[in-house]
Amino acid sequence: AQTVTQSQPEMSVQEAETVTLSCTYDTSESDYYLFWYKQPPSRQMILVIRQEAYKQQNATENRFSVNFQKAAKSFSLKISDSQLGDAAMYFCAFSFGRGGNKLTFGTGTQLKVEL
Amino acid sequence: DVKVTQSSRYLVKRTGEKVFLECVQDMDHENMFWYRQDPGLGLRLIYFSYDVKMKEKGDIPEGYSVSREKKERFSLILESASTNQTSMYLCASSLTSGIPSEQYFGPGTRLTVT
Repeated sequence: AQTVTQSQPEMSVQEAETVTLSCTYDTSESDYYLFWYKQPPSRQMILVIRQEAYKQQNATENRFSVNFQKAAKSFSLKISDSQLGDAAMYFCAFSFGRGGNKLTFGTGTQLKVEL
Repeated sequence: DVKVTQSSRYLVKRTGEKVFLECVQDMDHENMFWYRQDPGLGLRLIYFSYDVKMKEKGDIPEGYSVSREKKERFSLILESASTNQTSMYLCASSLTSGIPSEQYFGPGTRLTVT
């Protein structure tokens, strides 16, 4: 079975600074997909970014980018120019891409953005 | 915009009651999911459905059942609620495709069992 580990329960960042959230996973599969989801306070969870394991290039979405290290089974999220609206719980998630596209989630990292 | 709605934001039930949590999506998605979210444990999959009347157990199905009679609606049932089922319940939906598509989440139902 695959597992997803987020070792940072809480992180803080100053507004306009850069922060990196860590995620590691364990799987014996070679073909899979990784995601970062954001859950703002009292608001719905939304997808931030997605990475296909067969792609060597790291995914980027505006101020959000990932550092995908397949051999190390590491998938970190970098948020540049942090904004107050980035304050949220961030979940790393894994999918095989089959079996109904089920997701396995990590335990989450609570990100605080300070003025 | 995809919209996933859940019948209640907050629910308080007594031990032993039968509880229904309803989820509706408006984008004709084949897949629907029920998760529970607990502090320090993240989201854990309870059940999912990839088609009408089809269901599969997730990682923690014990004490729960589901029903999907129509494509847009997925219900989670707690046959006899217990205090250890106090939690946040999230519903999600997604399209079926070769590449995992985005899951769209509802706002959640915070269930308290007393």
